[in-house]
Amino acid sequence: SQQGEEDPQALSIQEGENATMNCSYKTSINNLQWYRQNSGRGLVHLILIRSNEREKHSGRLRVTLDTSKKSSSLLITASRAADTASYFCATVPTGANSKLTFGKGITLSVRP
Amino acid sequence: EPEVTQTPSHQVTQMGQEVILRCVPISNHLYFYWYRQILGQKVEFLVSFYNNEISEKSEIFDDQFSVERPDGSNFTLKIRSTKLEDSAMYFCASSYWYEQYFGPGTRLTVT
Repeated sequence: SQQGEEDPQALSIQEGENATMNCSYKTSINNLQWYRQNSGRGLVHLILIRSNEREKHSGRLRVTLDTSKKSSSLLITASRAADTASYFCATVPTGANSKLTFGKGITLSVRP
Repeated sequence: EPEVTQTPSHQVTQMGQEVILRCVPISNHLYFYWYRQILGQKVEFLVSFYNNEISEKSEIFDDQFSVERPDGSNFTLKIRSTKLEDSAMYFCASSYWYEQYFGPGTRLTVT
């Protein structure tokens, strides 16, 4: 089964606007994590939300988790051109040894 | 801030050759991973390593692949006989618990 499917696949916004990215998954999870990847670079861990949490904040990032709908959203407020990157959600299934299953990612472009 | 490092950044090899990709995880981390990303595709899990042994591996991680932690700091991925389809970006990651920290990757090109 496919885990961590994000939408939209691509998002283009103006600097200062908020960006909302969604992720859906299929099996029960222990936690869900969001990562950022700048073009041709490594993955940077942004935030982790556990299955018993509903919302988490970190700076300009807000993550929600709805386990009944098997979905998560990542909100970046007051976006900056430097936020331009690909964003991935990754899940750790219940009972798994913390292996991450990634989605295809969302390409975010923030226009200055 | 501590980070995961990987060498080399780019490796070109001929089909059938052996390659070793090297990683230095964050020093107090306990879990180590290899992932790969074929151009334009998802990041895929290959293997996880804990307490000096493989804890989980994917279907991709067949007999051509092996991992080692030879000296308590390095963590290596060996591909014994490379195929064209092994061309990808290979990422090493480490974690103390669930949050995984990734290295910058090694781009492997098999010709």
